[in-house]
Amino acid sequence: SQQGEEDPQALSIQEGENATMNCSYKTSINNLQWYRQNSGRGLVHLILIRSNEREKHSGRLRVTLDTSKKSSSLLITASRAADTASYFCATDASGGYQKVTFGTGTKLQVIP
Amino acid sequence: DSGVTQTPKHLITATGQRVTLRCSPRSGDLSVYWYQQSLDQGLQFLIQYYNGEERAKGNILERFSAQQFPDLHSELNLSSLELGDSALYFCASTPTTGVGGNTIYFGEGSWLTVV
Repeated sequence: SQQGEEDPQALSIQEGENATMNCSYKTSINNLQWYRQNSGRGLVHLILIRSNEREKHSGRLRVTLDTSKKSSSLLITASRAADTASYFCATDASGGYQKVTFGTGTKLQVIP
Repeated sequence: DSGVTQTPKHLITATGQRVTLRCSPRSGDLSVYWYQQSLDQGLQFLIQYYNGEERAKGNILERFSAQQFPDLHSELNLSSLELGDSALYFCASTPTTGVGGNTIYFGEGSWLTVV
């Protein structure tokens, strides 16, 4: 079963708008990461947020983490057509090995 | 370029056959992960190896097996293939196996089509 679930499953916005994706997970985590996947390609790491952090920025990306609600959000500001991709959250559970589990992904379409 | 190399990139084979997918991790990375991604599905974790030893197991079928060799490359063996095994198989690597929140570097995947 998937540890993380992204919401929405699909999102379509106009270029220049902001895109927000959410991720919920089930068990306590050490870290949460967001990845991007262009169609049929490998996943590319975007940003990592640790369990003791609440917010992190990287360029046009802003990630928040609420461990009490077991949720995270990824905000892409001023979206571009090139941001069209699927976005996945990935968590590694507390304790033990780094068994990283991915969510089901949000498919983002940015319309020029 | 992530530094993770997977071969072959595309593979078409018949049901009942066996295939081997190969992965070379990034230079210096000791951990290798295998994931399966079916059409419009999320990534299903299959198995992880660290420095030659199996470290974590996910939803890997008994018909599938993997190993990591002394030179750290890994192979995923898929046997008695079924139509439902058609998917994109990813290999990924990290430097260690600890819980330090390593970035996971993905290869470009091997497309397997079973006909």
